[in-house]
Amino acid sequence: DTEVTQTPKHLVMGMTNKKSLKCEQHMGHRAMYWYKQKAKKPPELMFVYSYEKLSINESVPSRFSPECPNSSLLNLHLHALQPEDSALYLCASSPGGGGRRGYGYTFGSGTRLTVV
Amino acid sequence: KNEVEQSPQNLTAQEGEFITINCSYSVGISALHWLQQHPGGGIVSLFMLSSGKKKHGRLIATINIQEKHSSLHITASHPRDSAVYICAVRSKDNYGQNFVFGPGTRLSVLP
Repeated sequence: DTEVTQTPKHLVMGMTNKKSLKCEQHMGHRAMYWYKQKAKKPPELMFVYSYEKLSINESVPSRFSPECPNSSLLNLHLHALQPEDSALYLCASSPGGGGRRGYGYTFGSGTRLTVV
Repeated sequence: KNEVEQSPQNLTAQEGEFITINCSYSVGISALHWLQQHPGGGIVSLFMLSSGKKKHGRLIATINIQEKHSSLHITASHPRDSAVYICAVRSKDNYGQNFVFGPGTRLSVLP
């Protein structure tokens, strides 16, 4: 299995809803990432988990709450979002350890989120 | 000045043409990636480079570390190559954990 699987592919939620995005990989990667991408813009890093610990939080509002229950799974919990949070949310994984290692950096196909 | 720049921003080509997309960067890097994103879709990693040249099918990627420049070439382009091509570098800082993305080049290949 060489894929990063994201579910759901599409999500429409109201501003008072609570929902979660899920990301899964079975490549043994130890670093996992959440990115947010607005239309016609490059992805913006939100969070990095390294060996199941949050290592980078790029000043993301608290209405986005990441969780890494185990080395294969990464969740993004959503609560009280705003319409401007509508975007494509991408998950990625890499072997971990950083440095010169770059092989195996894999993106998921994304969840397209619409907040109404 | 952005850390990663790409040119051109938009490119329209006829099927069969040879295409070149350029990327220049200003930071020290541990690796450079070329990524492909189809409209509304996820991102596919095409190449990871730290030196030299790589080829996969009709795609060729080169990097010149001294000049901090990389190019992506597509030979015999096809309409299915229409996508956004993103150059992304992994910085030497922060243990290369995250990317700095270029703005992307939007390619349209017409039949």
